Amino acid sequence: EVQLVESGGGLVQPGRSLRLSCAASGFTFDDYAMHWVRQAPGKGLEWVSGISWNSGSIGYADSVKGRFTISRDNAKNSLYLQMNSLRAEDTALYYCAKDGNVPGLDLGYYFDYWGQGTLVTVSS
Amino acid sequence: SYELTQPPSVSVSPGQTARITCSGDALPKQYAYWYQQKPGQAPVLVIYKDSERPSGIPERFSGSSSGTTVTLTISGVQAEDEADYYCQSADSSGTYRVVFGGGTKLTVL
Repeated sequence: EVQLVESGGGLVQPGRSLRLSCAASGFTFDDYAMHWVRQAPGKGLEWVSGISWNSGSIGYADSVKGRFTISRDNAKNSLYLQMNSLRAEDTALYYCAKDGNVPGLDLGYYFDYWGQGTLVTVSS
Repeated sequence: SYELTQPPSVSVSPGQTARITCSGDALPKQYAYWYQQKPGQAPVLVIYKDSERPSGIPERFSGSSSGTTVTLTISGVQAEDEADYYCQSADSSGTYRVVFGGGTKLTVL
């Protein structure tokens, strides 16, 4: 059974940093690209960032480019999101999601499994 | 920036057919995907590559594509289908970018 468990969320002041983690199990983690998707309270879904299986391809939404950094550790079956210079508009539930593309390929375009999310609140 | 447009809400009676549309200029060139999200839960993929259904998704869920519009159809709607539905696709401009529609609230009357 595929499991994705996010952690690291919390309350943080504007301008500060936070690092999110996602622990994956139930599939061969280093075969698949992974993504972060967020959802502001009462709002829709927004793709944040994606990383290919070997970290060779990385993509970011314009809203976070230059502030957020995605990374992965295949030895630890873990995905990360380093968030710097946080803003109030970054307040959201952050989901870790598995890429739905076939194993070993570059970044795909959809998500077949999602975690339950970790809440990030940016406020003074 | 590339956008996908969905109606904010759709209402249907139990047993009827619900159709949720999603429009976007790149849809003739990029596949569409659909997610169901119930309150307090993570999204669930219900349709991929325009019309494919993942294992475990009921047959009453189907997808279709025509030009710049894709449609999620739920036949014989059940009360448990009440949820938010999001379409998703990709920008075809050459830059890797995943885009979601604004979401449609399906109400089962």
